[in-house]
Amino acid sequence: DAGVTQSPTHLIKTRGQHVTLRCSPISGHKSVSWYQQVLGQGPQFIFQYYEKEERGRGNFPDRFSARQFPNYSSELNVNALLLGDSALYLCASSLGQGTNEQFFGPGTRLTVL
Amino acid sequence: AQSVSQHNHHVILSEAASLELGCNYSYGGTVNLFWYVQYPGQHLQLLLKYFSGDPLVKGIKGFEAEFIKSKFSFNLRKPSVQWSDTAEYFCAVNSYRDYKLSFGAGTTVTVRA
Repeated sequence: DAGVTQSPTHLIKTRGQHVTLRCSPISGHKSVSWYQQVLGQGPQFIFQYYEKEERGRGNFPDRFSARQFPNYSSELNVNALLLGDSALYLCASSLGQGTNEQFFGPGTRLTVL
Repeated sequence: AQSVSQHNHHVILSEAASLELGCNYSYGGTVNLFWYVQYPGQHLQLLLKYFSGDPLVKGIKGFEAEFIKSKFSFNLRKPSVQWSDTAEYFCAVNSYRDYKLSFGAGTTVTVRA
């Protein structure tokens, strides 16, 4: 039974570029959340999508955007990359929103030079 | 807004020692509480969760946690640690009003053989 998958595993970009990260949830899960984990800190919530609609947004600038597709997979887009965007980006899926347990993927390690 | 604080940044133990990691949260409403673990080179995995009912929750690998509502705490315990418990441990909280998971900064646990 496949867990949450994310691609790519690693990514190196330069300042000012944009990046797209992808996430496939566990089969049957309809909610996807994105988190940013900077080295030495806990994950910080970026977005939650449920049934293809944004249901929650964290304290991140408008350079960050996301969407969820009809098959419940999701993309996270970051424009005008800054050095401070270097982090591990985690995707989590759950059956629904709210109290459901979230299952995390392995993450995408983004390095901005 | 919710916040989560973990009291210990790094804990070093010998095998068979007992472990207790502190977690406090700030939120006045109904919350769901979680402990996640990240073993070296692996992704975040759920250790245990509390939604309602018995405040003493048992999780995988011999871990347990106690929810003390009056103290806004959800401390993690294990009576006798093993070398394989070396990992980073994160406490997380969400609420019925705000579905995002708020994480603590994490505690690195090193168990010496």
